[in-house]
Amino acid sequence: DTGVSQDPRHKITKRGQNVTFRCDPISEHNRLYWYRQTLGQGPEFLTYFQNEAQLEKSRLLSDRFSAERPKGSFSTLEIQRTEQGDSAMYLCASRKWQGGEQYFGPGTRLTVT
Amino acid sequence: GNSVTQMEGPVTLSEEAFLTINCTYTATGYPSLFWYVQYPGEGLQLLLKATKADDKGSNKGFEATYRKETTSFHLEKGSVQVSDSAVYFCALKPTNQGGSEKLVFGKGTKLTVNP
Repeated sequence: DTGVSQDPRHKITKRGQNVTFRCDPISEHNRLYWYRQTLGQGPEFLTYFQNEAQLEKSRLLSDRFSAERPKGSFSTLEIQRTEQGDSAMYLCASRKWQGGEQYFGPGTRLTVT
Repeated sequence: GNSVTQMEGPVTLSEEAFLTINCTYTATGYPSLFWYVQYPGEGLQLLLKATKADDKGSNKGFEATYRKETTSFHLEKGSVQVSDSAVYFCALKPTNQGGSEKLVFGKGTKLTVNP
């Protein structure tokens, strides 16, 4: 059990560019969550998947954001036309559907210049 | 709606001092309550949890008791160490069956312990 991994750990991009992050959950964890954490704040829920189905999206997830989990394993989060307000830590977490806690990855820190 | 309010930081203590970080919540029903810790450069780690009223979660010398009458889940430790320096987050998981069971977090409290 290697834990939740995220890639890249850091990303610096210019405003208007597209970025994509990847999350690999703990194997056999059916549920996968994305959160966003801005400086000085706690994580805020963005979206979650049960297997490959995206079952809930927060109002924070604007049309520029899209998340996928095509085979029910890893997930990607894409941000199109990035804005400076998108600068944040993007956290991924996974858990078993039948219960148990959410295990978090180390996060991807995005800086939009 | 569901929300968590944490004591504002930063908190600075000397080694072996007593720690309390206050946390209160607003939620319908009977949420589960958690404390997560985030060490510098690392992801969130679950520190302890409680799933029903009067439960006490404990781990690594930290404790918190689920108090429904005061809607609180204060974190305590009798003697902090330098290695406890981190940001601590209080969180709840609402009791909505069939829902996402997403976590709702407080803003976090940064603790610095000096030798």
